[in-house]
Amino acid sequence: QKEVEQDPGPLSVPEGAIVSLNCTYSNSAFQYFMWYRQYSRKGPELLMYTYSSGNKEDGRFTAQVDKSSKYISLFIRDSQPSDSATYLCAMAQEYGNKLVFGAGTILRVKS
Amino acid sequence: EPEVTQTPSHQVTQMGQEVILRCVPISNHLYFYWYRQILGQKVEFLVSFYNNEISEKSEIFDDQFSVERPDGSNFTLKIRSTKLEDSAMYFCASKIRPGTGELFFGEGSRLTVL
Repeated sequence: QKEVEQDPGPLSVPEGAIVSLNCTYSNSAFQYFMWYRQYSRKGPELLMYTYSSGNKEDGRFTAQVDKSSKYISLFIRDSQPSDSATYLCAMAQEYGNKLVFGAGTILRVKS
Repeated sequence: EPEVTQTPSHQVTQMGQEVILRCVPISNHLYFYWYRQILGQKVEFLVSFYNNEISEKSEIFDDQFSVERPDGSNFTLKIRSTKLEDSAMYFCASKIRPGTGELFFGEGSRLTVL
């Protein structure tokens, strides 16, 4: 079983739709959960950061962590064509030195 | 907004040549990292660096790789004798303190080994 699993997509949605992206993981030691957005041939851009379980909202973005199910989600409301990118989930252990990334989900928002 | 900057943006080299990739982390950050992304694959951890020494490295980070912080601002990754399979995007990242996952990445240096 891979440490972090993420459906690579592509996920294609119409403008204005609610997008749901998710990852599952196997390592129960993960405590920090991040979502990054990556445009083609660019660096990962930190979108959301959550510690342990719970929800966090920032504008159109909501991150959810369910540690009991080892499942994390990112919701994007009112999706825009500019949201078209690859979304990477990433996780780290408490005081861990490294992030473990998912494969990334390609999102395409069509106008 | 502070950012991690990397140079060069793209480097083409011949197999067996030495390459140095440079990074300027965010100024008040203390923890520095290199990650790698082969085209179409996951972002992979290479090495972490704190207090002028390597704190952790992955299996990928073998004797051909080295890192250095030659002054108060730069952080470099050296590949001594490049191989075809070293072709990838190399990302520098930094964070302010331990116990947090908020890691900020640069735009990357694309290395092409011919």
